[in-house]
Amino acid sequence: NAGVTQTPKFRVLKTGQSMTLLCAQDMNHEYMYWYRQDPGMGLRLIHYSVGEGTTAKGEVPDGYNVSRLKKQNFLLGLESAAPSQTSVYFCASSYGSRGFGQETQYFGPGTRLLVL
Amino acid sequence: GEDVEQSLFLSVREGDSSVINCTYTDSSSTYLYWYKQEPGAGLQLLTYIFSNMDMKQDQRLTVLLNKKDKHLSLRIADTQTGDSAIYFCAEILPVEYGNKLVFGAGTILRVKS
Repeated sequence: NAGVTQTPKFRVLKTGQSMTLLCAQDMNHEYMYWYRQDPGMGLRLIHYSVGEGTTAKGEVPDGYNVSRLKKQNFLLGLESAAPSQTSVYFCASSYGSRGFGQETQYFGPGTRLLVL
Repeated sequence: GEDVEQSLFLSVREGDSSVINCTYTDSSSTYLYWYKQEPGAGLQLLTYIFSNMDMKQDQRLTVLLNKKDKHLSLRIADTQTGDSAIYFCAEILPVEYGNKLVFGAGTILRVKS
């Protein structure tokens, strides 16, 4: 099992450019999440998905779009990047059940994005 | 509302115990978590505690939960230099909210040899 993987690991964009971050998991998890991590602010939820074909807004969704066309993949898109979107982006996944120990989220290694 | 607060920094000597504290506000949380993040790496789940437990011990780690005060702590016994990292406390919202994790800002633990 590779667990949760993210591509790319690092990217530099110019203001106004677009890009897509890819998250993939091979654990057959129902739920997937995108977070951003900024210094002194912990992790904040951008968007999440409770199953294939579904998405929902998190705490800081503005400027991002997501898609979950396949259960194992969750894509995060930036249509027109802004310097305020410079951050480290983490993807996570979980089983999505309330069963004991099944609500743990498993995290990918992160994508560092710099917007100039 | 959802809010998780932690102290920003803790410095200890190798071999001493470390205690990292956290307060949360959502009483409907079912699980509370501690994650560890080493420099340049993703988050690693350290341990978790179910909301109806007071204490959980896992080798060098002891988690204490005071549900009345909404206070969570992580004690690391015999702290080693390899324990230097950022530690995040997190609470999970119920499944109807997508099992959303709400994180604290993280506590930087520095272990001096």
